Amino acid sequence: EVQLLESGGGLVQPGGSLRLSCAASGFTFRSYAMSWVRQAPGKGLEWVSAISGSGLRTYYGDSVKGRFTISRDNSQNMVYLHMMTLRAEDTAIYYCAKGYYDYVWGSRDVWGQGTTVAVSS
Amino acid sequence: QSVLTQPPSVSGAPGQRVTISCTGSSSNLGAGYDVEWYKQLPGTAPKLLMYNNSNRRSGVPDRISGSKSGTSAFLAITGLQAEDEADYYCQSYDISLSAVVFGGGTKLTVL
Repeated sequence: EVQLLESGGGLVQPGGSLRLSCAASGFTFRSYAMSWVRQAPGKGLEWVSAISGSGLRTYYGDSVKGRFTISRDNSQNMVYLHMMTLRAEDTAIYYCAKGYYDYVWGSRDVWGQGTTVAVSS
Repeated sequence: QSVLTQPPSVSGAPGQRVTISCTGSSSNLGAGYDVEWYKQLPGTAPKLLMYNNSNRRSGVPDRISGSKSGTSAFLAITGLQAEDEADYYCQSYDISLSAVVFGGGTKLTVL
């Protein structure tokens, strides 16, 4: 069974940092693009970042560019999101999502259950 | 506001047909980029319903269909059932933004 399990969320002060992790299982991890998508309380979905199967190509939404870094470890079937200089508006549920194939702009066919990030003093 | 525009809400009685629209522009849907559709139940993660405009994900009933024409895309649900009540999101790629873009979401209520 294909599964994604996020971890690392929590409460952090404005300006702080956090690293989210996503453990993947049940598929050939290196063959698929991976993404992070977030959802602020009561709001819609917002794409955050994506990484190609090889890890060589990374992409970011404008609201996080320069502050967040996506990476992956294909030997451990893990994808990460390192978040720095966090702001109140980064408060959201962060979902890890698998690409339908190794194409970062396409659909996301498997989603994790999400991990909650709260930025507040 | 969202790059892709969806109606905030739609509703229909059981057995009826509803359509959810997703309107983009010449830098996303109009540029030929595909639309994907997701369904989200309260308190759960989104699930892929349709990919590449009109392809149903395995397990999605054939009373749900997708289409795309020009700068607009549509998700149609016939024979409406209580289990269809959820939030629906469209997604595509925008070449001007070099970003994945989502619609604002549509809440479907089954009356």
